[in-house]
Amino acid sequence: DIQMTQSPSSVSASVGDRVTITCRASQPVMNYLNWFQQRPGKAPKLLIYGASILQSGVPSRFAGNGSGTDFTLTIMSLQREDSAIYYCQQSSSPPLTFGGGTRVEIK
Amino acid sequence: QVQLQESGPGLVKPSETLSLTCTVSGDPITSYYWSWIRQPPGKGLEWIGYIYDSRSTKYNPSLEGRVTMSKDAYKKQFYLKLTSVTAADTATYYCAREVERLFHGMDVWGQGISVTVSS
Repeated sequence: DIQMTQSPSSVSASVGDRVTITCRASQPVMNYLNWFQQRPGKAPKLLIYGASILQSGVPSRFAGNGSGTDFTLTIMSLQREDSAIYYCQQSSSPPLTFGGGTRVEIK
Repeated sequence: QVQLQESGPGLVKPSETLSLTCTVSGDPITSYYWSWIRQPPGKGLEWIGYIYDSRSTKYNPSLEGRVTMSKDAYKKQFYLKLTSVTAADTATYYCAREVERLFHGMDVWGQGISVTVSS
């Protein structure tokens, strides 16, 4: 199985800050890397697919980058509604696997 | 607009079989991958597997031998069966649509159903 490692596990930032989350795959996944946002009590929501393609309806302050084994999700100007857990997921090779999640809190 | 809705029992006894249904509304059930994902309380996400057509399935090896997926295109439903459950199978179970052209991103999710394994 491909292991996905996210860092940091949590981050606290102020409204307007830039927040970057990293995700590393244990083997290359090309650009088969997706990012999800999960708010408390809700289902995950697809933010970015193909490492850098913004899903329809997702604000442009979210950006994904990377290829191979190293990826980043950046929230360019943090908003209160971005308080959530963010997961990366590789879809290159079954079993599809998720990172452990990064909790983003607003100061 | 496609919507997914999970249904099934919220409580299952140890060693019994967990059976869940996902009902799809707003779109045909063909031409997509239909996945199940679970999340134990306070923990991360685990992909259980997907069904593509009636013959094409892929399961997480960690659950292989206990999991079966099927679907009924006419009813626009797909199903999960997990046998010999233990407390470790207690989780919120989600169904989701997996789209090949979105790099297998899961773009539509059900709201989730909480399943507890307990006697």
